[in-house]
Amino acid sequence: GESVGLHLPTLSVQEGDNSIINCAYSNSASDYFIWYKQESGKGPQFIIDIRSNMDKRQGQRVTVLLNKTVKHLSLQIAATQPGDSAVYFCAENRGGADGLTFGKGTHLIIQP
Amino acid sequence: NAGVTQTPKFRILKIGQSMTLQCTQDMNHNYMYWYRQDPGMGLKLIYYSVGAGITDKGEVPNGYNVSRSTTEDFPLRLELAAPSQTSVYFCASSYLGRDYEQYFGPGTRLTVT
Repeated sequence: GESVGLHLPTLSVQEGDNSIINCAYSNSASDYFIWYKQESGKGPQFIIDIRSNMDKRQGQRVTVLLNKTVKHLSLQIAATQPGDSAVYFCAENRGGADGLTFGKGTHLIIQP
Repeated sequence: NAGVTQTPKFRILKIGQSMTLQCTQDMNHNYMYWYRQDPGMGLKLIYYSVGAGITDKGEVPNGYNVSRSTTEDFPLRLELAAPSQTSVYFCASSYLGRDYEQYFGPGTRLTVT
């Protein structure tokens, strides 16, 4: 079965609010945890990664938090914009070149 | 750079037919991957390659074959297409040592009827 999963299939937020997308994982041996964004009709696009020895990493308007105690990963998007509307996938990489394991995805909907 | 390009964009196959999905990247990436994405699901790894002449199976390789004769190209071959292979196929590539940051192509939507 899948080792990476998501709590909510759809998340609706008001434009300008902060969004928090959650993900649970089960493989403690994963080296990297990653968030990808997939817009309709396109391939996934890398957003941000966090290594397993870190708790927090910030990018431009995004923050990823890793809680290894409860095996939980989250993506926070500040001041959500219409262009943030997409499906967001968490994924894990087990430290080799053998690809990524993806969760099912959360559809982020931005309300005007 | 064009990044990762895939052809065709769409294809309809009859059961039992064969086809090759093309993938090319111009970023001189060592690693290349093929994933499939079923409706409402995440991506599953079919095959991957760490360099020319080297390929390995991923999570769902049955019914597919790949080759990697050059750094740039990584075609995926479907033999004897089955309805279960109806999916969207994504090719991706990454730099050596940064295999968590993958660059994806636009995908090929395949329907087998």
